[in-house]
Amino acid sequence: NAGVTQTPKFRVLKTGQSMTLLCAQDMNHEYMYWYRQDPGMGLRLIHYSVGEGTTAKGEVPDGYNVSRLKKQNFLLGLESAAPSQTSVYFCASSYSVNSNQPQHFGDGTRLSIL
Amino acid sequence: AQKITQTQPGMFVQEKEAVTLDCTYDTSDPSYGLFWYKQPSSGEMIFLIYQGSYDQQNATEGRYSLNFQKARKSANLVISASQLGDSAMYFCAMREGGSEKLVFGKGMKLTVNP
Repeated sequence: NAGVTQTPKFRVLKTGQSMTLLCAQDMNHEYMYWYRQDPGMGLRLIHYSVGEGTTAKGEVPDGYNVSRLKKQNFLLGLESAAPSQTSVYFCASSYSVNSNQPQHFGDGTRLSIL
Repeated sequence: AQKITQTQPGMFVQEKEAVTLDCTYDTSDPSYGLFWYKQPSSGEMIFLIYQGSYDQQNATEGRYSLNFQKARKSANLVISASQLGDSAMYFCAMREGGSEKLVFGKGMKLTVNP
């Protein structure tokens, strides 16, 4: 009963380093999303995907790249990490964009950039 | 443009009492869905309840109900018989019909006192 799984759960990077966050879902969902959560800001959409091989920009896409090579996986990349990217990152997925379909979230990745 | 407003930064309630968490929204789309999520201190995002713009009745899920006032554009979450485990951050979110994106409010913190 995994649902949405994010790896890693925690990571500390130095400024300028790169890394990839992995999101995997086993619910056969078409739509996947990456959010960041900062204190007092709620969740803000970084990038999303409406299906395998497709990606689109969200509200705060700068400094991030994504890929959806397989339907079940959605990767978020930081090419050159900056302290402003210190945040908690959440992946989510949903079956469709019918308005009654909730997004299901992973447990989050806490990322610190020094 | 979509907008979700949660004006209460924090609330306190006594165990076993009912509490209402406020959410107002702004959209020009007649078709939309409203969601409430709970985020306990452990960090995961838990879907609680959904209300569709065309639903005739207020949504209910166990101890959670949604006081949906369409003319006022409000979708307040009511938690009956509060429990200590209800202490968490609560987020209101909206998706317009056919949109892939879920827009979140900034959240509010509920503390249930024994």
